[in-house]
Amino acid sequence: DVKVTQSSRYLVKRTGEKVFLECVQDMDHENMFWYRQDPGLGLRLIYFSYDVKMKEKGDIPEGYSVSREKKERFSLILESASTNQTSMYLCASSLGQGVYPFSGANVLTFGAGSRLTVL
Amino acid sequence: AQKITQTQPGMFVQEKEAVTLDCTYDTSDQSYGLFWYKQPSSGEMIFLIYQGSYDEQNATEGRYSLNFQKARKSANLVISASQLGDSAMYFCAMREAPTGANNLFFGTGTRLTVIP
Repeated sequence: DVKVTQSSRYLVKRTGEKVFLECVQDMDHENMFWYRQDPGLGLRLIYFSYDVKMKEKGDIPEGYSVSREKKERFSLILESASTNQTSMYLCASSLGQGVYPFSGANVLTFGAGSRLTVL
Repeated sequence: AQKITQTQPGMFVQEKEAVTLDCTYDTSDQSYGLFWYKQPSSGEMIFLIYQGSYDEQNATEGRYSLNFQKARKSANLVISASQLGDSAMYFCAMREAPTGANNLFFGTGTRLTVIP
């Protein structure tokens, strides 16, 4: 089974601190994603990466950056944390882009989430 | 317009009963895929089932089935014989073609509570 591991389940940081959220997957997946989850808003894509050192902005990239130096690791960075970044952060990976018919290549495998509180 | 709409913020079901979680979607693409994920209180999103837009038969995976009504643009999840462990948030999602990370849209979720 694919495993996606997020390094921290709970973090408490202060406004202005730099925050690193780490995510590692162990099945050689091409794609990795960072989502933010807030009640009533569902999941919103922050950034995704389809290859090492490649990244693209999602729907809400402002205030975030990412790093993918190795295929298995995708880091989310909050350069200067703010209170409105208090949220649940979910990392996910998928085998590849896939084409229709939709297959397992398109299914996302998620980590357990990192709940960040910024005071 | 919302790409995925889940109109039931919360649902209750008696143990061993069946329950339907509603999902409607909005797309002008002919090729797309519909997914359901479960999120227990532990936080990890778990893939349950998917349906391709050209699939003529409704998808089934164990106790989960997807009631796909293409003309109505609905993709409801049916859970048969509910169990206490089914209590969780459930998210409907759609991937449009051409496939790309920005083409995956999630609904706001439905919290299901199974009553003993």
